[in-house]
Amino acid sequence: KNEVEQSPQNLTAQEGEFITINCSYSVGISALHWLQQHPGGGIVSLFMLSSGKKKHGRLIATINIQEKHSSLHITASHPRDSAVYICAVDGGSQGNLIFGKGTKLSVKP
Amino acid sequence: EPEVTQTPSHQVTQMGQEVILRCVPISNHLYFYWYRQILGQKVEFLVSFYNNEISEKSEIFDDQFSVERPDGSNFTLKIRSTKLEDSAMYFCASSGEAISYNEQFFGPGTRLTVL
Repeated sequence: KNEVEQSPQNLTAQEGEFITINCSYSVGISALHWLQQHPGGGIVSLFMLSSGKKKHGRLIATINIQEKHSSLHITASHPRDSAVYICAVDGGSQGNLIFGKGTKLSVKP
Repeated sequence: EPEVTQTPSHQVTQMGQEVILRCVPISNHLYFYWYRQILGQKVEFLVSFYNNEISEKSEIFDDQFSVERPDGSNFTLKIRSTKLEDSAMYFCASSGEAISYNEQFFGPGTRLTVL
């Protein structure tokens, strides 16, 4: 079974800072997902990666399949980025996901 | 933009009672999932559903749980006899395809409290 580890668990940043959240997994995968969980609990998909790098606005996600590692970067962070960021990998052929514990990000003005 | 909806947003029940959590997936999606998140813990997979049958389930999804797609739009999770440890946030998700290359869209969740 794949083990998904995220670091750091908690992260506090000042507005404008560049943020990096890391994710590593133990077994080779087809795809990795980055998700955002809002304080109210809702989950939003940010990225799905199988290789290389993806960018959406101020968010950048990278994955290194050989090293079994992915990073999520936030440039010019803003208080509205405050949320829990979750890494998840495919757990089987039917698309079910195995989740990391999440990184709680707090961006101070 | 199409979205996954879930009802109710919060359900309170007594231990031993049956509950049904409802989800309306995105209309042209074919693959449906239930996940749960116990407070303070990570999200866990419960079950996946395709073509009117369960395609995969986790160890958590025991005989007390069942899923159904009773009509063309709803997807339900039933817990027959709730236990205190079933208290959690339950998320429904849907996807256009089951393979890992497809994004899953999550509903807002139903918070289940078992007293």
